[in-house]
Amino acid sequence: GDSVTQMEGPVTLSEEAFLTINCTYTATGYPSLFWYVQYPGEGLQLLLKATKADDKGSNKGFEATYRKETTSFHLEKGSVQVSDSAVYFCALSDSGAGSYQLTFGKGTKLSVIP
Amino acid sequence: NAGVTQTPKFQVLKTGQSMTLQCAQDMNHNSMYWYRQDPGMGLRLIYYSASEGTTDKGEVPNGYNVSRLNKREFSLRLESAAPSQTSVYFCASSEALYPILAFFGQGTRLTVV
Repeated sequence: GDSVTQMEGPVTLSEEAFLTINCTYTATGYPSLFWYVQYPGEGLQLLLKATKADDKGSNKGFEATYRKETTSFHLEKGSVQVSDSAVYFCALSDSGAGSYQLTFGKGTKLSVIP
Repeated sequence: NAGVTQTPKFQVLKTGQSMTLQCAQDMNHNSMYWYRQDPGMGLRLIYYSASEGTTDKGEVPNGYNVSRLNKREFSLRLESAAPSQTSVYFCASSEALYPILAFFGQGTRLTVV
């Protein structure tokens, strides 16, 4: 079955540091890939997405590139802020499994300190 | 503010008790979902409703029932709570059956003792 593996947290960075959160996946079909963010006390929000190989999703300074050859979708940001402190989830949607199914990774908690 | 509203925000139950988690959305969305989130895990789909009058099982439906009361409301019922159901529950809604773009509520933290 489909699965998503993301790096274990928590991750603690100083403000303005570079961020990378690794995500790799296995899927039977041709999945779309997503990053979701969950701020403290809130539900998940879609951060960015990529629907085919070599696509780059970007939003709020975050980027991730769909790499089919390495089955990866790593999240990056050049300069993190305290307000980026949250839990980040990598996820995939495999069209072969039906559009209502999202497979999530376990989440990576990011803490940014001033 | 428009969005997805869940009640209650916190609840403690004893094993064997029943309760209903309420969810309402005011965005005129057709599809609604219930997820559970456990420590160190991503979200897992419990049930979903593609449209008013329909419900279907997700990945982890055992021990739960749902009711799509009308277009706005989608409730989740635990008939006989078990400690394994201790979790954070999220309701979500989307315009079509496309959870990728779903709006999520703030969650209900349920503890079963």
